[in-house]
Amino acid sequence: GENVEQHPSTLSVQEGDSAVIKCTYSDSASNYFPWYKQELGKGPQLIIDIRSNVGEKKDQRIAVTLNKTAKHFSLHITETQPEDSAVYFCAAKDYKLSFGAGTTVTVRA
Amino acid sequence: DTAVSQTPKYLVTQMGNDKSIKCEQNLGHDTMYWYKQDSKKFLKIMFSYNNKELIINETVPNRFSPKSPDKAHLNLHINSLELGDSAVYFCASSPGTSGVGEQFFGPGTRLTVL
Repeated sequence: GENVEQHPSTLSVQEGDSAVIKCTYSDSASNYFPWYKQELGKGPQLIIDIRSNVGEKKDQRIAVTLNKTAKHFSLHITETQPEDSAVYFCAAKDYKLSFGAGTTVTVRA
Repeated sequence: DTAVSQTPKYLVTQMGNDKSIKCEQNLGHDTMYWYKQDSKKFLKIMFSYNNKELIINETVPNRFSPKSPDKAHLNLHINSLELGDSAVYFCASSPGTSGVGEQFFGPGTRLTVL
């Protein structure tokens, strides 16, 4: 089955700096790679996703890149703000969504 | 106008008891899911239903029995609760199964087994 590894487990950045989270996956059949943000006491919420036929996607301050050959994908958040503080999960889908272990992002004001 | 709702939000119970968690979605989605998030925040799928039919069962103990009375509802019944069942349980829904598409998560039910 699919195995998704996510790094780092924690990330502390100064407000205004960039944050980068990296994930690798094992199943070459996976074709959909979403990123979820989970705030304290809430359910995960999709922030951006990318399909296997696309190498990069951007939505305002958030961008995701995918390298299918190397089986890795990354989340980039630019100009971080305090409200970006949360736990971020990457995921890969073959027949089901498999999640990474999560990255706790803290944005220091 | 909550998209995916779960009840209760908190559930505290004794070991050995039986409990249920209810989930409803008003998005018109065909597929619903149950996920378990453990104390280390690891999220793992338990079940998936499409139009009331079970399509994914990820080696969950038989004590867990999902039931889908219609495609808008997916309930989770747990028999003989154990300490290790303590976790946050999330319900989710999505438009389909085979293709790609966003899964919408509920707010979670925090289950504590004493």
